[in-house]
Amino acid sequence: SQQGEEDPQALSIQEGENATMNCSYKTSINNLQWYRQNSGRGLVHLILIRSNEREKHSGRLRVTLDTSKKSSSLLITASRAADTASYFCATVTGTASKLTFGTGTRLQVTL
Amino acid sequence: NAGVTQTPKFQVLKTGQSMTLQCAQDMNHEYMSWYRQDPGMGLRLIHYSVGAGITDQGEVPNGYNVSRSTTEDFPLRLLSAAPSQTSVYFCASRARNANGEKLFFGSGTQLSVL
Repeated sequence: SQQGEEDPQALSIQEGENATMNCSYKTSINNLQWYRQNSGRGLVHLILIRSNEREKHSGRLRVTLDTSKKSSSLLITASRAADTASYFCATVTGTASKLTFGTGTRLQVTL
Repeated sequence: NAGVTQTPKFQVLKTGQSMTLQCAQDMNHEYMSWYRQDPGMGLRLIHYSVGAGITDQGEVPNGYNVSRSTTEDFPLRLLSAAPSQTSVYFCASRARNANGEKLFFGSGTQLSVL
């Protein structure tokens, strides 16, 4: 079964609004990463947060991590049509640092 | 710098046929991996390698073989294709050091098994 589960599965917002996606996982992690996938393309790394960090920022992205609840959230502020994509969380576990992906959130940003 | 290169981009096979999906990276990454992506399932790890000569199974290894004879190449072999292997396949690599924790992905191979 998947280590990470994203919520919601799909999200539709208007340009300028904020988008929040959540990820829950099952086991202890080394770090958690968020990736973006445009339709028909490979995944692109967005941001990494380590297990001892609680919040991280990168441009319009804000990631939080709550290890006690085994959950993370990705906030995209002031969304743009170009942010339309699928977003995946990935948990990194074990000595081999294996990445396991969640099922993804499809974000649609309309003008 | 080409990054991670996958070939072919599209492939149609008949049940029982064999083929090899190619993956090459030019970033001198020790870690390479193969994922399959199916609708509603996210990406699932098939096999991975932490260096030349070392491979290990992921979440869904059955029906697939891999080898890692060089740092650059990590081919994925389907010995007898089945319709259940219809999917989009992604190869990914990363450096194996404290800063090399993000994956770099290829553009994918869309495989249909009839």
